[in-house]
Amino acid sequence: AQSVAQPEDQVNVAEGNPLTVKCTYSVSGNPYLFWYVQYPNRGLQFLLKYITGDNLVKGSYGFEAEFNKSQTSFHLKKPSALVSDSALYFCAVRIGAGSYQLTFGKGTKLSVIP
Amino acid sequence: EAGVAQSPRYKIIEKRQSVAFWCNPISGHATLYWYQQILGQGPKLLIQFQNNGVVDDSQLPKDRFSAERLKGVDSTLKIQPAKLEDSAVYLCASSLSSLNEQFFGPGTRLTVL
Repeated sequence: AQSVAQPEDQVNVAEGNPLTVKCTYSVSGNPYLFWYVQYPNRGLQFLLKYITGDNLVKGSYGFEAEFNKSQTSFHLKKPSALVSDSALYFCAVRIGAGSYQLTFGKGTKLSVIP
Repeated sequence: EAGVAQSPRYKIIEKRQSVAFWCNPISGHATLYWYQQILGQGPKLLIQFQNNGVVDDSQLPKDRFSAERLKGVDSTLKIQPAKLEDSAVYLCASSLSSLNEQFFGPGTRLTVL
């Protein structure tokens, strides 16, 4: 079975500071990893994905994520946080073959303080 | 490009009543998904369609939930009868194929009283 853990329910960061939202995963095969963002009363928006290749993946709105196979992690990062980045962030995983099911973490609420 | 459309956006019903949700995916997207998102949790897949065929419905409570995608485009999700624990946001998503990223609609917030 595949699973995703987001160990922090909430992350607070000052505007302009770097931010990190943590994600670890557990799968039996090669993982496909995703980050989505959810703004209030809106659906999830795709940010970025890791399939294969370079461990550092760049996505929308200046976000990036680093795949670390030895630590089974896929942390989301941004060098300089904006107030408009405040939202709910979800990490998701599926294995690279066979299973189509995307498994989501429980989400991390990011608050960027002006 | 138009996104995934869902209606209604909000629905309040009493337990044991029936309810239906509608989803129109992005044009050309063969794969359609219905998720249930309970407050404080991540979305959980209920059912996945590839065109008009069901690929995965392993987590769909089939005694009360049903879904169809008759012409391989629009889809409806029905709950009959509803229970209090069905209160959640029901998200529809679509993708070009099961290998591509999913695009989500705004969701339908269901409250069962």
